[in-house]
Amino acid sequence: GDSVTQMEGPVTLSEEAFLTINCTYTATGYPSLFWYVQYPGEGLQLLLKATKADDKGSNKGFEATYRKETTSFHLEKGSVQVSDSAVYFCASYLIQGAQKLVFGQGTRLTINP
Amino acid sequence: SQTIHQWPATLVQPVGSPLSLECTVEGTSNPNLYWYRQAAGRGLQLLFYSVGIGQISSEVPQNLSASRPQDRQFILSSKKLLLSDSGFYLCAWSMDTSYEQYFGPGTRLTVT
Repeated sequence: GDSVTQMEGPVTLSEEAFLTINCTYTATGYPSLFWYVQYPGEGLQLLLKATKADDKGSNKGFEATYRKETTSFHLEKGSVQVSDSAVYFCASYLIQGAQKLVFGQGTRLTINP
Repeated sequence: SQTIHQWPATLVQPVGSPLSLECTVEGTSNPNLYWYRQAAGRGLQLLFYSVGIGQISSEVPQNLSASRPQDRQFILSSKKLLLSDSGFYLCAWSMDTSYEQYFGPGTRLTVT
């Protein structure tokens, strides 16, 4: 079945460091891909998305490119801030399938000042 | 604009007691509705989803049930809580023709 795998956390970085959180997917077709962010004690917020190969989603300085050849959607940010500390979830959605989001296990990110 | 509400925000219940969590959506019609559970330090598990009034699909066998008595209301229930029901419960909605899901603020349930 469809699945999403994220790099295991927790990830701890210093402020202004470069961030990469890896995400790969398995699907029988070409899913839409998402990154969600969950700040402490809150629900999930959609951070960015990409709906087809080579699309780049971006928001708040974060970017992710849909790579069909490597079935990946890695999240990157050039210079992280303390306020980026949160849990990040990668997710996929395949319209031809069960029509529901499939989430990765989440990656906890902590940014130290 | 659309908003999603969940209540209560936190809940502490003894083992064996009943449960009712409520989720309502404003500003849209006929949304798809979802219940997720997030256990401490873990990912999201889809529990139930609904594409219309009275239509509930269950993803995993468990101690919980869901109902959708109105178009924009989704209720998660249990007759007798177990310790393993503790977690963070999230409600979400999406448009019928869209796959983006929007999440509520969540309910933190502790079963003691």
